[in-house]
Amino acid sequence: KNQVEQSPQSLIILEGKNCTLQCNYTVSPFSNLRWYKQDTGRGPVSLTIMTFSENTKSNGRYTATLDADTKQSSLHITASQLSDSASYICVVSLNAGNMLTFGGGTRLMVKP
Amino acid sequence: NAGVTQTPKFRILKIGQSMTLQCTQDMNHNYMYWYRQDPGMGLKLIYYSVGAGITDKGEVPNGYNVSRSTTEDFPLRLELAAPSQTSVYFCASSRRDSANYNSPLHFGNGTRLTVT
Repeated sequence: KNQVEQSPQSLIILEGKNCTLQCNYTVSPFSNLRWYKQDTGRGPVSLTIMTFSENTKSNGRYTATLDADTKQSSLHITASQLSDSASYICVVSLNAGNMLTFGGGTRLMVKP
Repeated sequence: NAGVTQTPKFRILKIGQSMTLQCTQDMNHNYMYWYRQDPGMGLKLIYYSVGAGITDKGEVPNGYNVSRSTTEDFPLRLELAAPSQTSVYFCASSRRDSANYNSPLHFGNGTRLTVT
């Protein structure tokens, strides 16, 4: 069964600190992996998209890495800000069709 | 730049009632999707459409119906509401199919539905 597992489920950090969120997947055949940010009460917003041939992709203070051999991805947030408080969702796409497998998300809280 | 617009934002239904969740997008995207999000769980695909007049079932279609008469609109219909349909519903659109590398999903802000 195709699955996407994220850890930790929740995380609290102080403003200005860095953090790393993890995503392990078993989806096969794999097409691409995405990270979304979801603010409370809003829809998810795309942060990064990586294919199996890409190891890293950055979007400002967000850097995603991908190891297709071990089927692991991480999202690193640098110099966190209060506005980074949100849920971060890892999404894996099958190689064709319209089926995406969503992880349950990591809820991040950044405190002053 | 409205993007994907969903209405209503909140709704409470009694068991057995019916309702339509509205979704419209102004990006001229061919692909549209309906997802539900339950607490702590990943989003699940209910139905999707690859263009006007074409719809197909997703992972959890039971209890729902959709139609796609125009490129812009993709309403989701609940005929006989059940407590198991209590969830947050998200509509999304994309330029190409969701497996495409260059095609991120654009989500609306959701409809929070409670069935009691």
